Amino acid sequence: EAGVTQFPSHSVIEKGQTVTLRCDPISGHDNLYWYRRVMGKEIKFLLHFVKESKQDESGMPNNRFLAERTGGTYSTLKVQPAELEDSGVYFCASSQDPPDRPITGELFFGEGSRLTVL
Amino acid sequence: EDQVTQSPEALRLQEGESSSLNCSYTVSGLRGLFWYRQDPGKGPEFLFTLYSAGEEKEKERLKATLTKKESFLHITAPKPEDSATYLCAVQALKGGSNYKLTFGKGTLLTVNP
Repeated sequence: EAGVTQFPSHSVIEKGQTVTLRCDPISGHDNLYWYRRVMGKEIKFLLHFVKESKQDESGMPNNRFLAERTGGTYSTLKVQPAELEDSGVYFCASSQDPPDRPITGELFFGEGSRLTVL
Repeated sequence: EDQVTQSPEALRLQEGESSSLNCSYTVSGLRGLFWYRQDPGKGPEFLFTLYSAGEEKEKERLKATLTKKESFLHITAPKPEDSATYLCAVQALKGGSNYKLTFGKGTLLTVNP
């Protein structure tokens, strides 16, 4: 079974440019999450989709970040325009756990997309 | 605000030398505490979930324990392949999304042969 896949693995862009990161969750997983780790900091939650709906986007830094999950399958995270502080590793994760059940901890992460803004 | 502090930041062991990693947490009601392993260039890989104080879980050379304020990841007779960054994360009862996790910065474990 394929795991969570992310593309691109590494992107280098100039400040002010636009970048779009893509995530394909594990097939059948309704829950999709975006996390980010900036240099020297801990991994931080950005947002959560249940199917195509945004369940929680409280971690999104500002309105330069736009996440979508059309059709409830893959998701994209667009940064426009990119700033230097947006550099970091963006992780996507998916899970099967339904919202009304105890969580198992089985959150499956992709390998991340490293973003470097120059 | 929920907080997770892991110590030490880095730990170097000889093969077979047992030790423990610490995760101290502050959360407004614990829904779950999670341990993940992360290898370089990879995403975090799930190890354990602990739900309440006194709970213990084991997997091969790893054993995780939980109190009301901290969790320990005990590594018994480690091998070089146990080298990785170990991440601790918590989910609050009122955290909203199932996996709106608060992570610590991790402990980088190196096991020398």
